[in-house]
Amino acid sequence: DVKVTQSSRYLVKRTGEKVFLECVQDMDHENMFWYRQDPGLGLRLIYFSYDVKMKEKGDIPEGYSVSREKKERFSLILESASTNQTSMYLCASSPLSPGQQFFGPGTRLTVL
Amino acid sequence: GQQLNQSPQSMFIQEGEDVSMNCTSSSIFNTWLWYKQDPGEGPVLLIALYKAGELTSNGRLTAQFGITRKDSFLNISASIPSDVGIYFCAGLPRAGTASKLTFGTGTRLQVTL
Repeated sequence: DVKVTQSSRYLVKRTGEKVFLECVQDMDHENMFWYRQDPGLGLRLIYFSYDVKMKEKGDIPEGYSVSREKKERFSLILESASTNQTSMYLCASSPLSPGQQFFGPGTRLTVL
Repeated sequence: GQQLNQSPQSMFIQEGEDVSMNCTSSSIFNTWLWYKQDPGEGPVLLIALYKAGELTSNGRLTAQFGITRKDSFLNISASIPSDVGIYFCAGLPRAGTASKLTFGTGTRLQVTL
């Protein structure tokens, strides 16, 4: 079975802190994705990566950056956390083809 | 970004009843996916469909890839309490590098005893 793990299930940070969210997949997938999920807004893509050291902006990249130094690991970075970044963050990975995505359990981030 | 139209938005059904939901798009997709999300958890992939007209089952779940490639359907037979959750459809325009999913708006399913 595909396994996508995220470093924390719950996280509480203060405004202005730098926040790292880690995601690891064990299926040698090429593609990895970071989403945030908010009530009424659905799943919104923040960034994705189709190869090591490669990244592309999704629909809402402002305030976030990412890092992919190894194929199995994709990190989401909030350089200076703000209260409007309080959300559920979901990581996913997919093979190159056919491209179905497998999600991690999510990190519920609260920024105070 | 674009969201797929998913209906119904919510359903309240009794245990043992069958459930049907669908997802429609204005554009063509080459892959349709169905996910279930429990509260506080990440979505879990239920069924993947890769060919127009394809009908695929996973236990009590059956999904179909519409002939027009613009819609998909999910049926749950003989619902049980653990079917409670939010069901999302998702479409993939093509497989390959950096293919991004387009998600449906979700169907919230409640099952009463």
